[in-house]
Amino acid sequence: GAVVSQHPSWVICKSGTSVKIECRSLDFQATTMFWYRQFPKQSLMLMATSNEGSKATYEQGVEKDKFLINHASLTLSTLTVTSAHPEDSSFYICSAGTDRGGNSPLHFGNGTRLTVT
Amino acid sequence: KQEVTQIPAALSVPEGENLVLNCSFTDSAIYNLQWFRQDPGKGLTSLLLIQSSQREQTSGRLNASLDKSSGRSTLYIAASQPGDSATYLCAVIRLAFGKGNQVVVIP
Repeated sequence: GAVVSQHPSWVICKSGTSVKIECRSLDFQATTMFWYRQFPKQSLMLMATSNEGSKATYEQGVEKDKFLINHASLTLSTLTVTSAHPEDSSFYICSAGTDRGGNSPLHFGNGTRLTVT
Repeated sequence: KQEVTQIPAALSVPEGENLVLNCSFTDSAIYNLQWFRQDPGKGLTSLLLIQSSQREQTSGRLNASLDKSSGRSTLYIAASQPGDSATYLCAVIRLAFGKGNQVVVIP
């Protein structure tokens, strides 16, 4: 089955530093990748959608200069949280699909627990 | 804007009972609907995908129905087991149209 690998699974960083999270599709080509954040006992909130080779589309209220998304290849997308602050502490999850139209099922990574001290 | 609601937010059932989980959405112009399970501190595992043209999907003890006209999907889990304990999420992929490109070809 389709596997999405997300790394790291958890990270602790100091306020003001940047953190990069990787999302890889291991056995399929991910035309579209999605990034979410999830607060405790809340559902997933879509942050941005990225298509390979294009600029990411950010949801309203998500700062694109703070959450940098790169989707340079069909198997890798990265989310960089720049100048992280304690309020950025959250669970970040990526998902990947094989087409741009939403016809294929989404496959999720195991998430990254970010704690900013 | 598409709103997705899941009721009940939490429930407990004795082992062996059937589970019925409800998902409602406000915009019926959907492309597909997907059910996931999430274990604590983990990512999402896909359970079932229902295309907009389908009424239901089945996989083992799981059955999901879709009624676009009423904006509802229901996930049934038969003969529940302790291993079914998790959070179940439904996700709706919305079909959205642009205003179109009117083309006139001049002979």
